Amino acid sequence: QQPVQSPQAVILREGEDAVINCSSSKALYSVHWYRQKHGEAPVFLMILLKGGEQKGHDKISASFNEKKQQSSLYLTASQLSYSGTYFCGTEIAGGTSYGKLTFGQGTILTVHP
Amino acid sequence: NAGVTQTPKFRILKIGQSMTLQCAQDMNHNYMYWYRQDPGMGLKLIYYSVGAGITDKGEVPNGYNVSRSTTEDFPLRLELAAPSQTSVYFCASSSSRAGGSYEQYFGPGTRLTVT
Repeated sequence: QQPVQSPQAVILREGEDAVINCSSSKALYSVHWYRQKHGEAPVFLMILLKGGEQKGHDKISASFNEKKQQSSLYLTASQLSYSGTYFCGTEIAGGTSYGKLTFGQGTILTVHP
Repeated sequence: NAGVTQTPKFRILKIGQSMTLQCAQDMNHNYMYWYRQDPGMGLKLIYYSVGAGITDKGEVPNGYNVSRSTTEDFPLRLELAAPSQTSVYFCASSSSRAGGSYEQYFGPGTRLTVT
């Protein structure tokens, strides 16, 4: 089942902060975050694994609440280059669908000067 | 490393025609994926593979077929193209870990129009 992202869109001025949320109804093994600029392919930002392991960019932070099956992406001191659509992808715990991601509908982030 | 490459970049098909979208990766990744992305929407998984000779359906497999004879290549076959298959198609790959995968690397995409 598709994870739900909120908000659907965010408008910021440079230097402002934003939080993007991702929520699933299934028990999760991991949450991935990607950013996609218009006309380009998605680019990896962060992966959060069950048990607390994280891997990603130094300037991006995120959290994963395993009990609530929720993840949040924190964008601080936003820059113009942060503009784009942000997607979370969820990997369900257990079963045989290892490595299979289901993506949310996306959050459009626009940063103005 | 070239990463994930896809060909062609653009293609226009007539209804009922068939074609193969090519995808290759040079990172020795076990996992490979095909997604479609309709305008303003998220990514929908069509098919994926956890290794050579092993493929499985994703959320929207109807009208598509895949094969994985080598680690490097994962072609997507469209049979009897329909206007509903107009979309941007992304191929991706990732390395595996116990119980799942690591980050996915995406190719540049193929923009397909069926008229």
